[in-house]
Amino acid sequence: DIQMTQSPSSVSASVGDRVTITCRASQVISSWLAWYQQKPGKAPKLLIYGASSLQSGVPSRFSGSGSGTDFTLTISSLQPEDFATYYCQQANSFPLTFGGGTKVEIK
Amino acid sequence: EVQLVQSGAEVKKPGESLKISCKGSGYSFTRYWIGWVRQMPGKGLEWMGIIYPGDSDTRYSPSFQGQVTISADKSISTAYLQWSSLKASDTAIYYCARPAVQWEFDPWGQGTLVTVSS
Repeated sequence: DIQMTQSPSSVSASVGDRVTITCRASQVISSWLAWYQQKPGKAPKLLIYGASSLQSGVPSRFSGSGSGTDFTLTISSLQPEDFATYYCQQANSFPLTFGGGTKVEIK
Repeated sequence: EVQLVQSGAEVKKPGESLKISCKGSGYSFTRYWIGWVRQMPGKGLEWMGIIYPGDSDTRYSPSFQGQVTISADKSISTAYLQWSSLKASDTAIYYCARPAVQWEFDPWGQGTLVTVSS
């Protein structure tokens, strides 16, 4: 199985801050990496697919980069509605696997 | 609009059986895989398995193989996740979701909370 390691597990930030979350795969997954946002009591929402493609309707302050084993999700200017938990997921091969999550909290 | 609508919350006792559902609408149900994801209380996301309703081809995560059964009824555009004998550790929210481009998921169902308690 491909293990996905996310860091940090939590981050405290203020509105307007730039936030970066990293995800490392235990083996090469090309660009088959997705990022999700999940708010309490809600289903996850797809933000980024193919490592860097923005899902329709997602604000442009979200961006993704990376390939191979190392990936990054960046929120360029944190907004109040962005406080949530973020997960990466490898979409390369079965079994599909998720990172452990990063909780973005208000500083 | 593509939508996945899941069945309602369930409260069961250990040892009981359960089948929860996920109904797809707004697209050709038989042409897209549907996956299931578990989220235990306060924990992260775990992929359980996936089914192609067109021919019932099913793949399971090794962690869930033999623990659950995934099926689909294409005549009513509905996928299912079932247990033959629930355990307290099956308490979780279960989401169904449809792959978007490769194997990333969008959209998702609203989730079904399953509580197993004596």
